[in-house]
Amino acid sequence: GAVVSQHPSWVICKSGTSVKIECRSLDFQATTMFWYRQFPKQSLMLMATSNEGSKATYEQGVEKDKFLINHASLTLSTLTVTSAHPEDSSFYICSARTGGPDLFEQYFGPGTRLTVT
Amino acid sequence: GQNIDQPTEMTATEGAIVQINCTYQTSGFNGLFWYQQHAGEAPTFLSYNVLDGLEEKGRFSSFLSRSKGYSYLLLKELQMKDSASYLCAVMDSNYQLIWGAGTKLIIKP
Repeated sequence: GAVVSQHPSWVICKSGTSVKIECRSLDFQATTMFWYRQFPKQSLMLMATSNEGSKATYEQGVEKDKFLINHASLTLSTLTVTSAHPEDSSFYICSARTGGPDLFEQYFGPGTRLTVT
Repeated sequence: GQNIDQPTEMTATEGAIVQINCTYQTSGFNGLFWYQQHAGEAPTFLSYNVLDGLEEKGRFSSFLSRSKGYSYLLLKELQMKDSASYLCAVMDSNYQLIWGAGTKLIIKP
């Protein structure tokens, strides 16, 4: 159980365009979803935390107007990278927390590799 | 500040045992996680320790000492597929995960 999907798995876009990444919890309701970014050979960097129906909480240094997060339902959160630039090229990973018995465990999606040309 | 330390890279031989250490300094403690991450893939959950002691799960075991701010992941009977990065993460008092930089484990035949 506890499967999280992401779409797309990879995307190439031109500089200045926007890209939307979807994160879905397939067999559970996710009270909280997290968005991470990972650059090559580095660890995960938390970008923001989102709870269904409320505004996302962004980590220091993450531009909320550039990385738009919408957690519209208990099974779907989206991350939109607006006006993407080559330095935004990275591996974006979402995770979800159930809030159930395994309260603290985060289930990760497979990740989305974004390349901005 | 909050800090998680783990070795950058380790090398071990197929069939052997390897121990990956993790030390932490965080504001509060609500448990320590170990995740495995293969190159280009998302992390997968290995273990969660919140009480002191050893948790064994098949070939993998995880140990925690809260007083020492220390944990280790023990991998036995190493297989080539165990080549991956192993991430240590601590949940702080705000229930946020603080991530270590990961330990890249290289398994040689």
